[in-house]
Amino acid sequence: GQSLEQPSEVTAVEGAIVQINCTYQTSGFYGLSWYQQHDGGAPTFLSYNALDGLEETGRFSSFLSRSDSYGYLLLQELQMKDSASYFCAVRVNQGGKLIFGQGTELSVKP
Amino acid sequence: DTAVSQTPKYLVTQMGNDKSIKCEQNLGHDTMYWYKQDSKKFLKIMFSYNNKELIINETVPNRFSPKSPDKAHLNLHINSLELGDSAVYFCASSPTTYEQYFGPGTRLTVT
Repeated sequence: GQSLEQPSEVTAVEGAIVQINCTYQTSGFYGLSWYQQHDGGAPTFLSYNALDGLEETGRFSSFLSRSDSYGYLLLQELQMKDSASYFCAVRVNQGGKLIFGQGTELSVKP
Repeated sequence: DTAVSQTPKYLVTQMGNDKSIKCEQNLGHDTMYWYKQDSKKFLKIMFSYNNKELIINETVPNRFSPKSPDKAHLNLHINSLELGDSAVYFCASSPTTYEQYFGPGTRLTVT
């Protein structure tokens, strides 16, 4: 089977740093993506890691450890607009099939 | 200059009806997808087309039939709608094998 585990909810305050973890067990692994989805909106692509290590894009960073089947999304200098659901997704084949986690709802408080 | 568009945005219909959702992308991508997001926000791939050819066909009821008339369009037809089909359906397109651009979604409610 294929499974991705991420926390269902995380709460943090404005200006803080938050880390959303994702562990996975899949039949194939080509890379780990992260998507953001605001309520009522569409998922939007944030980052992708195919190799071990840290990728940084502005306030967001994503990390992957393939040996541990683990990754995380790090959000720095949190803003109210970062309140959203965050999904990790594993690319399981060369064709681009993504298996999504159940999402982590991030609430940023003033 | 919408990248991925879907119509309709909302669809309310009765059990047993047949309905279609249309998707268009103007990004020039070769690959397009249909996803279903349920009430718990679980996002599951249904189908994928690459340049009009079906490449992913997940285990979905055969009441669901995708059609790609050209690489910029991917439509989803659903026959004999059931209550369990109520969900948000997202179309997406992709320039690579990992970065996908999602449409705004179609909220389908079956009564």
